[in-house]
Amino acid sequence: DTAVSQTPKYLVTQMGNDKSIKCEQNLGHDTMYWYKQDSKKFLKIMFSYNNKELIINETVPNRFSPKSPDKAHLNLHINSLELGDSAVYFCASSLSHGEAFFGQGTRLTVV
Amino acid sequence: GIQVEQSPPDLILQEGANSTLRCNFSDSVNNLQWFHQNPWGQLINLFYIPSGTKQNGRLSATTVATERYSLLYISSSQTTDSGVYFCAVDGAQKLVFGQGTRLTINP
Repeated sequence: DTAVSQTPKYLVTQMGNDKSIKCEQNLGHDTMYWYKQDSKKFLKIMFSYNNKELIINETVPNRFSPKSPDKAHLNLHINSLELGDSAVYFCASSLSHGEAFFGQGTRLTVV
Repeated sequence: GIQVEQSPPDLILQEGANSTLRCNFSDSVNNLQWFHQNPWGQLINLFYIPSGTKQNGRLSATTVATERYSLLYISSSQTTDSGVYFCAVDGAQKLVFGQGTRLTINP
């Protein structure tokens, strides 16, 4: 029973398309995150939600729009995909200041 | 914002060797975690260790919060220990990651 699950695991799409990545957690956590891992393996926060409210938006282009329909879900929608958006995107969840758990990642390739 | 620095950036060892990975951080933190990213890209939780010492099998970790560093010890390395090890600290409701230590264990 996966604690943090995100779909799809792989996503290959053309420039200019719009795509979504879904994330769900069954840990009862109140905080969810999206992280981006670049080609050099560096992990950087994109967004953080606490109790469905956006609390961190780390200078991410507004083509990226997170949506949290409830505390257990945080989806990421990306408009007008660019080559530079190619990366691995990780969803995570935690209790505030508690231990964070990560999903398996979504490898996005924009061609 | 908080800075996290890991050393060494790369480490190549033979199976059976021991290793110590270091994480320095620039400010006091509520939370510190160690992760292992395996060759398949999964981020696996190793330790949640804001302070003190914990052990889990061949792995142990120590965080000295007052001196702003944490150490991860791996004993009797196995090839399955290969991957990237990340330290991450809680800075203002987000985890800030170090750049990682890439560990390669050769048979």
